[in-house]
Amino acid sequence: GAVVSQHPSRVICKSGTSVKIECRSLDFQATTMFWYRQFPKQSLMLMATSNEGSKATYEQGVEKDKFLINHASLTLSTLTVTSAHPEDSSFYICSAPKPYSVKFTDTQYFGPGTRLTVL
Amino acid sequence: ILNVEQSPQSLHVQEGDSTNFTCSFPSSNFYALHWYRWETAKSPEALFVMTLNGDEKKKGRISATLNTKEGYSYLYIKGSQPEDSATYLCASPNYGGSQGNLIFGKGTKLSVKP
Repeated sequence: GAVVSQHPSRVICKSGTSVKIECRSLDFQATTMFWYRQFPKQSLMLMATSNEGSKATYEQGVEKDKFLINHASLTLSTLTVTSAHPEDSSFYICSAPKPYSVKFTDTQYFGPGTRLTVL
Repeated sequence: ILNVEQSPQSLHVQEGDSTNFTCSFPSSNFYALHWYRWETAKSPEALFVMTLNGDEKKKGRISATLNTKEGYSYLYIKGSQPEDSATYLCASPNYGGSQGNLIFGKGTKLSVKP
């Protein structure tokens, strides 16, 4: 298998503060990482795709200036929620395919997620 | 937009019962169907990736079948145990995207009572 860690697992912050979430591939290199979020009773929804060494691509409706993604190395992608507000409270989770994986048919490996609560 | 549906939303069974649940997906342009098992506070764990119509895959007491023509997959658990309690997710690759992300159903939450 392959291991992806995510930190922190839970964060509570005040409205207006910024929060950084780290996603690390521990035993493989990840040129691509996906960031999803899940609101209560909803499915995991893709927010953005993080690519090592280039700009992230964001899904429609996701503000790139609010959700800053940095994929500076082959094992680390960070998601920073800037000026967080209560409506940003959600569950954020990352995933990565292994290198040279076949795009649609190979397994993706997930972190355990981060529960963000903005007061 | 690709839509993946799962039913039921939740399921409560007694230890030893066998159970099954459903994932439905668009049957056109099919490539693959992924099943994950997700325990609370842990990473989703890959169970199966299914690609061929009529596929049946097995992992211990858990098995899955695939019908790509009608667009559904069943996940079966034989002789459920409390440790099977988890949310089971199915997902289809986003064929319209270029990066290979997955589109998920809302999951089926299974609770197994001892």
